[in-house]
Amino acid sequence: DAMVIQNPRYQVTQFGKPVTLSCSQTLNHNVMYWYQQKSSQAPKLLFHYYDKDFNNEADTPDNFQSRRPNTSFCFLDIRSPGLGDAAMYLCATSRVVGGAGEQFFGPGTRLTVL
Amino acid sequence: DAKTTQPPSMDCAEGRAANLPCNHSTISGNEYVYWYRQIHSQGPQYIIHGLKNNETNEMASLIITEDRKSSTLILPHATLRDTAVYYCILGSSNTGKLIFGQGTTLQVKP
Repeated sequence: DAMVIQNPRYQVTQFGKPVTLSCSQTLNHNVMYWYQQKSSQAPKLLFHYYDKDFNNEADTPDNFQSRRPNTSFCFLDIRSPGLGDAAMYLCATSRVVGGAGEQFFGPGTRLTVL
Repeated sequence: DAKTTQPPSMDCAEGRAANLPCNHSTISGNEYVYWYRQIHSQGPQYIIHGLKNNETNEMASLIITEDRKSSTLILPHATLRDTAVYYCILGSSNTGKLIFGQGTTLQVKP
């Protein structure tokens, strides 16, 4: 089945140690999104790629970066994780930006910062 | 900021219809109403969306008022597996971005 895959499902890192989360999709969708969801809160959009065009949300900290080397893969890099970055990180895809396209979400990666 | 208002929690008896309301009084002409749900520790799941007309699919029905300032998601026969947080979201047809609000936690009880 076509899907959105996130690896790893659980990630533990140390305070200040760079970490990379990965997302892959078999849907061949143009758009890939990264959301951050802290405990008991709603998902918050960090940024998205439309093909290779990167779109950052205004309030996304510089500590968060992203790479999309090809259509199928997208990475979230946290350069110096702080305790406040512990969260579930969700990747999503959609066929087009806007219109009536639904977003397909992966299962998420839960990040713990020690 | 989210542009929708939902009750924080609701209960529903198993087998009965669950009616989840959403207010979006500042909706603009190019914004769709989307509903997603998130079962504990999983990624959000798309349910349904609409622009002006009422919509129905295999999961749910969406009723949008004529002035588009509010909507109701209807799960016709709720099951225990429908227990989740339900998000009503306005999605721009220009940007495709979803700005999640706090959602409604629906508890389906036996």
